[in-house]
Amino acid sequence: DTGVSQDPRHKITKRGQNVTFRCDPISEHNRLYWYRQTLGQGPEFLTYFQNEAQLEKSRLLSDRFSAERPKGSFSTLEIQRTEQGDSAMYLCASSLQGAYTEAFFGQGTRLTVV
Amino acid sequence: GDSVTQMEGPVTLSEEACLTINCTYTATGYPSLFWYVQYPGEGLQLLLKATKADDKGSNKGFEATYRKETTSFHLEKGSVQVSDSAVYFCALPVVEYGNKLVFGAGTILRVKS
Repeated sequence: DTGVSQDPRHKITKRGQNVTFRCDPISEHNRLYWYRQTLGQGPEFLTYFQNEAQLEKSRLLSDRFSAERPKGSFSTLEIQRTEQGDSAMYLCASSLQGAYTEAFFGQGTRLTVV
Repeated sequence: GDSVTQMEGPVTLSEEACLTINCTYTATGYPSLFWYVQYPGEGLQLLLKATKADDKGSNKGFEATYRKETTSFHLEKGSVQVSDSAVYFCALPVVEYGNKLVFGAGTILRVKS
C-alpha cells in the first residue's frame, strides 16, 4: 500500500471558479477525514466519512464546499465559486475505526486562489 | 470545546542540544494525546502517542508524558539532530466525533549543525 494519496498536489485557480480535489485513502480504512491548514496554523477539521456516510461537518464548511465518498472508497472535495480566503492546504487522512487508532495523512493539495 | 495550546516558535537549537516543546490541552474527560511531525515537503506523520494518564509515548528519541494534573503533554528530546528540523503538532482526538483531531498551531524546530 502506498499510503494516502491526494491529487492534485497544487492547484492555482481564479476567483469564482470551481475546483475539485481527490483523496485515495489506505484501502482497508473505513474512516476518511478532510482538514484545512493555513500558514502558521495547525490543521482544522472540515468533515469526515465512515464508509460512504458523511457523519460530521464543521461550521468551517460553508455551502460552497461539498464532499463525497461514493462506495466508501476515494473521496472528493469540491469548492464552488472560490474566494481568496479559500487559499490553503487541504489535507486528507484515513484511519480504521477504533478508540486509539492512528490517522494517516496524505501530502495535501495546496490551493491558491488568484 | 476541546483545544490544544502549543508554545510558539520557531525554536532554533544547535545540534545535540536538549529540546522541550510545551503542549497543554483542554478537554472533557481524559483523551488520548498525540504528537505529529511534518518534515519539509512531506505529509503529517504520527511521532508518538499516549492513551491514558501517566503513559509515556516515545519514538526516534522523542518522549512525552501524559500529565493529567497539569493537562500537559510536553515533547522532549535529549539531543537533537539536524534531521529533526520540522514542524511539530500536538493533537487530541475527539472520540464522540469519529476521532477527529484537534491540533495545536504547530512549533517550527530548526536545528543548526
